[in-house]
Amino acid sequence: KQEVTQIPAALSVPEGENLVLNCSFTDSAIYNLQWFRQDPGKGLTSLLLIQSSQREQTSGRLNASLDKSSGRSTLYIAASQPGDSATYLCAVRNQGAQKLVFGQGTRLTINP
Amino acid sequence: EAQVTQNPRYLITVTGKKLTVTCSQNMNHEYMSWYRQDPGLGLRQIYYSMNVEVTDKGDVPEGYKVSRKEKRNFPLILESPSPNQTSLYFCASSWKYTDTQYFGPGTRLTVL
Repeated sequence: KQEVTQIPAALSVPEGENLVLNCSFTDSAIYNLQWFRQDPGKGLTSLLLIQSSQREQTSGRLNASLDKSSGRSTLYIAASQPGDSATYLCAVRNQGAQKLVFGQGTRLTINP
Repeated sequence: EAQVTQNPRYLITVTGKKLTVTCSQNMNHEYMSWYRQDPGLGLRQIYYSMNVEVTDKGDVPEGYKVSRKEKRNFPLILESPSPNQTSLYFCASSWKYTDTQYFGPGTRLTVL
């Protein structure tokens, strides 16, 4: 059974810092992995989707990497801004499976 | 604007009173699904639909029903709500189930 873990549960950093959010998964037979952001009281917004054959994906200040063999993904945020404050969720889709398995998320606070 | 909409956004009801949460997408997506989000448990899938008239159970289907009569709509029905169904509910859709998932804004349900 796939399990997805995100550590730490919460992170607070000063504005302008580069930071890394971690996601680990127990079953390496994944099809793809998706990073989302969730703002309080709002839905999930897809940030990046990375296929199992890819090593990384980039969108603006965000870069997601994937190491399938070690069961890890990281989301790198460059030059953080207060508007980046949100909960970041990692979700994995296994090979042959239709559903996403979510981690519990990392609540990120960027302090001005 | 491409979006997934849910109604109502907030609902307080009493045990046993049937309710429907609507979900609609305007992107011609084939795949739709429902999740519930609870503290400490994360996001769990309730039901999903691969296409019109094709639905199947997710991880926590007990107490819920769905239908997919039209491609754009995927309502979630609680025939006899109970307090343990108090939760934050999300609808999601994508072209195919392997693609980027787009989430609705969420429905916060309280069952007294």
